[in-house]
This record gives sequence, C-alpha cells and structure tokens, in this order.
Amino acid sequence: DAGVIQSPRHEVTEMGQEVTLRCKPISGHDYLFWYRQTMMRGLELLIYFNNNVPIDDSGMPEDRFSAKMPNASFSTLKIQPSEPRDSAVYFCASSLAPGTSGGSPPDTQYFGPGTRLTVL
Amino acid sequence: AQKVTQAQTEISVVEKEDVTLDCVYETRDTTYYLFWYKQPPSGELVFLIRRNSFDEQNEISGRYSWNFQKSTSSFNFTITASQVVDSAVYFCALSEKLYTGFQKLVFGTGTRLLVSP
Repeated sequence: DAGVIQSPRHEVTEMGQEVTLRCKPISGHDYLFWYRQTMMRGLELLIYFNNNVPIDDSGMPEDRFSAKMPNASFSTLKIQPSEPRDSAVYFCASSLAPGTSGGSPPDTQYFGPGTRLTVL
Repeated sequence: AQKVTQAQTEISVVEKEDVTLDCVYETRDTTYYLFWYKQPPSGELVFLIRRNSFDEQNEISGRYSWNFQKSTSSFNFTITASQVVDSAVYFCALSEKLYTGFQKLVFGTGTRLLVSP
C-alpha cells in the first residue's frame, strides 16, 4: 500500500504569497492530521479531520492558515499571506479510527514525507 | 497536561556500540499510548512502536528493544550493535485524550543519534 503522499516536497516562496500544501492519506484511514515542525517548537499538531470533517483546529496559529478536506483522499493546508516565520516542515499524517480491528494497530499515525516550506 | 521529556539532545556513538534513548512522560490519563518514531536525515517520520499503558512487557524487534516502566513513567529505547543507518532523530510520543474522545500525540523534543563508522 502507498503511504501518505504529500506535495510539493519543497516550496520556496516570497512573503505575501499564497502557499498550498497537499496531502493524500492512506486509503481507508478515517483521520487526517496536519503538523508543523520547527526547531523552536518541535512537532505541533495544527488541525485534524475525522471523516473529512475538521474536529480540532486549535493548533492553527493564525487566521492566515486554513485547511480543507473535500473528500476522503485529499486535503490541503493553505497559508495566505505567507510570512517568513511560517518557514517549517509541514507533515500530514493519517490513521484508522480507534478500536478498528485488523491491520495496523488503531491510533497509530503514519506520516507523509513532509513539505519543507521556505518563505523569503 | 501531558508532557514528554527526552533529556538527551544528542548522542554520538561508534558503530556496534549499544545505545539507550531515554523517554520520561507525564500524564493523568489511566489509559494511554506511547510511541517511538524515527526521523532519518531524509526527513520523513517513520513509526517504530506503539505500546498501551496496560502492557508493560518489554518488546524486542531485531536490534531494537523497548523498556516500559510505569513505576518510573519511562519508555526507553535501546539499539543494540548500532549501525550508521541508525543515525536519525528519534521522537518519543504520548497520547493525550481530547474532549472529543480522540487521542492526539504529544511529542518529545527528540534525540539526535549519530553513529559513526
């Protein structure tokens, strides 16, 4: 099975530009997560979805950040307008619902390769 | 709130040495899960192990072993006969139960392991 797919792998943009990061979760996974990794703050959960519905976006730093999941196989994280302090690696992860039997243990999150964002 | 402490920022060893990465956690939940992830230089996060709080049995997988001790709130990770390919940042994580019933992950700051030939 393919893992979590993220695109682009690297993004360099200028301050003020809109940035869109994309994620395709593992097929059959009910949960999708967006994380941000920086040297200063480590790995932070930004938002997560259950069955395409945003459940908790308390980690989203500002209104400049928005995330959508129009269907079970695609999600986007958008930053508009971008700022230099948004430079980080953004990870998408997915998991089965808790208590799901068979296959991988429930609650285990599988991460994509990440998108390294640089805002100049 | 849940907290994960990985006190070792960086560890350097020579190939074939054994190395233990420490993880200490704090939680008020009675049921929780602990995880280890590996982040090699290529950047992706690779799942290594998941352990629930009721299972204190140590686990061994090849050269990797994990020691879970509830009494000391620790979940340490040992690599036996380390290899250069083990060089990576290793993250310990703890589940935190949200009001929704779902358990999110709280990550430690990571331990960078450098294995030299």
